[in-house]
Amino acid sequence: GAVVSQHPSRVICKSGTSVKIECRSLDFQATTMFWYRQFPKQSLMLMATSNEGSKATYEQGVEKDKFLINHASLTLSTLTVTSAHPEDSSFYICSASGDSSGYGYTFGSGTRLTVV
Amino acid sequence: GENVEQHPSTLSVQEGDSAVIKCTYSDSASNYFPWYKQELGKGPQLIIDIRSNVGEKKDQRIAVTLNKTAKHFSLHITETQPEDSAVYFCAASRAFGNEKLTFGTGTRLTIIP
Repeated sequence: GAVVSQHPSRVICKSGTSVKIECRSLDFQATTMFWYRQFPKQSLMLMATSNEGSKATYEQGVEKDKFLINHASLTLSTLTVTSAHPEDSSFYICSASGDSSGYGYTFGSGTRLTVV
Repeated sequence: GENVEQHPSTLSVQEGDSAVIKCTYSDSASNYFPWYKQELGKGPQLIIDIRSNVGEKKDQRIAVTLNKTAKHFSLHITETQPEDSAVYFCAASRAFGNEKLTFGTGTRLTIIP
């Protein structure tokens, strides 16, 4: 079945630094990537959608200059949290969809980001 | 945009009994409705899904029903087991795969041994 690998699983960074999260589709070509943020005991909130080779589409209220999304290849998308602050601490999850009917919304295992 | 409401927020059932979680959606153009199970510290895992041309789908102890007219769909888990304890999310999208999923607020299911 479809597998999406997300790294790192946990990261702690200092306030003001940047953190990059990677999401790889291992056995299919991910034409669309979705990035979510989940605060404790809350639902998944979509941050942005990206199609391979195109600029990401951000949801209302999500700062595109703070959350940089790159989807330069069909197997890799990255989310970079720039100038991280404690309020950016959250669980970040990617989801990949491919161009065939069998590959839709395969989720990564998530990244717990803690900004200190 | 789409709005998905989910009830109840918490549910405790005795092991072996059935659990039902309900969702309603607002966008009549939605036609794909998955259910996810999320365990602590992990990403969501698809457990069952249904598309708008089907009213019911079953996979062993899990079933989903869809009422497009009323815009609601439900998850049914029978013969519950302790390992069913988790948070469950419903979701909806306009098209499988390339349209964004809108998630419900989640249900924390606890199975009492």
